[in-house]
Amino acid sequence: EAQVTQNPRYLITVTGKKLTVTCSQNMNHEYMSWYRQDPGLGLRQIYYSMNVEVTDKGDVPEGYKVSRKEKRNFPLILESPSPNQTSLYFCASSSPGLADEQYFGPGTRLTVT
Amino acid sequence: AQSVAQPEDQVNVAEGNPLTVKCTYSVSGNPYLFWYVQYPNRGLQFLLKYITGDNLVKGSYGFEAEFNKSQTSFHLKKPSALVSDSALYFCAVRATSGGSYIPTFGRGTSLIVHP
Repeated sequence: EAQVTQNPRYLITVTGKKLTVTCSQNMNHEYMSWYRQDPGLGLRQIYYSMNVEVTDKGDVPEGYKVSRKEKRNFPLILESPSPNQTSLYFCASSSPGLADEQYFGPGTRLTVT
Repeated sequence: AQSVAQPEDQVNVAEGNPLTVKCTYSVSGNPYLFWYVQYPNRGLQFLLKYITGDNLVKGSYGFEAEFNKSQTSFHLKKPSALVSDSALYFCAVRATSGGSYIPTFGRGTSLIVHP
């Protein structure tokens, strides 16, 4: 089954404790991206990757890091989480075909206290 | 830069009535336009897209959207709403050339269909 998986699905942590949210896709997609969803603000792009070792900032990259060492994986790293990073996070992937739609993971709900 | 505006935070409609969820966009050159739906506690699901050609695009679950280039709009429509259509709807745009090729999303519109 074609899918994007994220782990963990739920995470409660404390300020400053480094964490990683994993994202993996099994569709051999070149493009992957991370979004955060906040009430009233919709979906905002954090980082995206157009291929292995190619990443770029989205609209709200501050406080986040990513890496793309393998085509299927695109982890999101919070080196020193803060309460304003409490949010719902989505990973998505797509191919560079003509206007191909994105496939989204189930989401990770992060709470930073 | 590309952007999307969804002017309504919430749309209320009675079951069986037609529904419209509005979207306007801004992008350099020609757009690719998308609608996604998010059900509670789920990720976003693709609904339909406009690439080129016919301005009326048909998608999943009986939804359709009309592309209007002069008004830079891509409104989502359905002739007869169902209670099960209640969800959060996102419009997205990306440029056909240049840029990141990653779509920009609107803030979302909550559709509530009343029995």
